[in-house]
Amino acid sequence: DIQMTQSPSSLSASLGDRVTIACRASQSIYNYLNWYQFKAGQAPKLLIYDASSLQSGVPSRFSARGSGTDFTLTISSVQPEDFATYFCQQSYNMPPTFGQGSKLEI
Amino acid sequence: QVQLQESGPGLVKPSVTLSLTCDVSGGSINDTNWWNWVRQSPGKGLEWLGQIYRTGSTNYNPSLKSRVAMSVDKSKNAFSLKLNSVTAADTAVYYCARGGYCSSTRCRDTEFDYWGQGNLVTVSS
Repeated sequence: DIQMTQSPSSLSASLGDRVTIACRASQSIYNYLNWYQFKAGQAPKLLIYDASSLQSGVPSRFSARGSGTDFTLTISSVQPEDFATYFCQQSYNMPPTFGQGSKLEI
Repeated sequence: QVQLQESGPGLVKPSVTLSLTCDVSGGSINDTNWWNWVRQSPGKGLEWLGQIYRTGSTNYNPSLKSRVAMSVDKSKNAFSLKLNSVTAADTAVYYCARGGYCSSTRCRDTEFDYWGQGNLVTVSS
């Protein structure tokens, strides 16, 4: 299975800060990389697909880049509703696998 | 707006079969999408369990292949998961999620664009 490693596992930010989360794959996954936002008690949300494409309805303060093995998710100006846990996931090979998550806290 | 909702027991005893259903609204189980199950546990993080297509075709995670089965119920616009011989290690929040379609150029079956809110299942005697 392809191993996905995220860093940091947790990070603190203030409103308006710019934050970046990294994700590394154990082998090349080209651009088959997705990012999700998880909040307790809510349905998880797809933010980014194809490594850098913004899912419909997702605010433009979210952006992502990368290809091959190294990827990043950036929030340009953190808003109150962004405090959540973020996961990367590869959809290149079966079985799809996820990173361990990065928790964004105030 | 597509919505998914898991239903099933919150507590199951060890060695029994865990059964969950995902009701789909705002869309059809007959669409050209793959329907997936993912679980989240403190020990293993997020783990993909498997997927099913409208035709009944399935793909399962090899780590669970011998214990898992999925089915589609077109009359109820729903799909289901069965996991047998459960142990405490199967305690998790179970999510259903919609995957995309497959074209000649790219298969998006494991890009999960809609999810349910999750169903916590605890395995304990």
